Amino acid sequence: DAGITQSPRHKVTETGTPVTLRCHQTENHRYMYWYRQDPGHGLRLIHYSYGVKDTDKGEVSDGYSVSRSKTEDFLLTLESATSSQTSVYFCAISDGGPMNTGELFFGEGSRLTVL
Amino acid sequence: AQRVTQPEKLLSVFKGAPVELKCNYSYSGSPELFWYVQYSRQRLQLLLRHISRESIKGFTADLNKGETSFHLKKPFAQEEDSAMYYCALEGAQKLVFGQGTRLTINP
Repeated sequence: DAGITQSPRHKVTETGTPVTLRCHQTENHRYMYWYRQDPGHGLRLIHYSYGVKDTDKGEVSDGYSVSRSKTEDFLLTLESATSSQTSVYFCAISDGGPMNTGELFFGEGSRLTVL
Repeated sequence: AQRVTQPEKLLSVFKGAPVELKCNYSYSGSPELFWYVQYSRQRLQLLLRHISRESIKGFTADLNKGETSFHLKKPFAQEEDSAMYYCALEGAQKLVFGQGTRLTINP
């Protein structure tokens, strides 16, 4: 498996509280992504990064923010969690980048439950 | 905008039978398409990509630009093929996934 770890792996929180998920890689890959996986919706891109301090929105970015201050870390923050954000969150990394048909390597996922 | 559609949420076939998982896409540019697979208790991983034109674990997929499809096929299903399969389309610096098809192979 590519050197990519997510933390925490499981979290239960209450509506309105802030939550931060961390993705850490040891591969020195340029591109990092956050997806959420929901039944009937598959994987949907939340945000992605194409370099340190370079990020952009995906298709379901509302309610989420990200930061990438170092190559190896990509943080996903829910400023005020809502029940609709209950999901499994996946981080992915890529070296060649999408335009170069780079393969995505995925983390194990973080299961978030918002009560 | 990029869009990927997998019309079947669930697909169940018997061992030894042929398998076809459907994928249709919408994209104005030149498509780069992939199939990813998630086996039970394993990470999501790349199965194959259309530019490689290779067969992985007996699976093949042909890009049909006229029908905007990239269906995944295997002539003889095996029990270890049971998994969640995602079709994905690359474009504009990101990979867009379909809704996924859960394939179950019955003994």
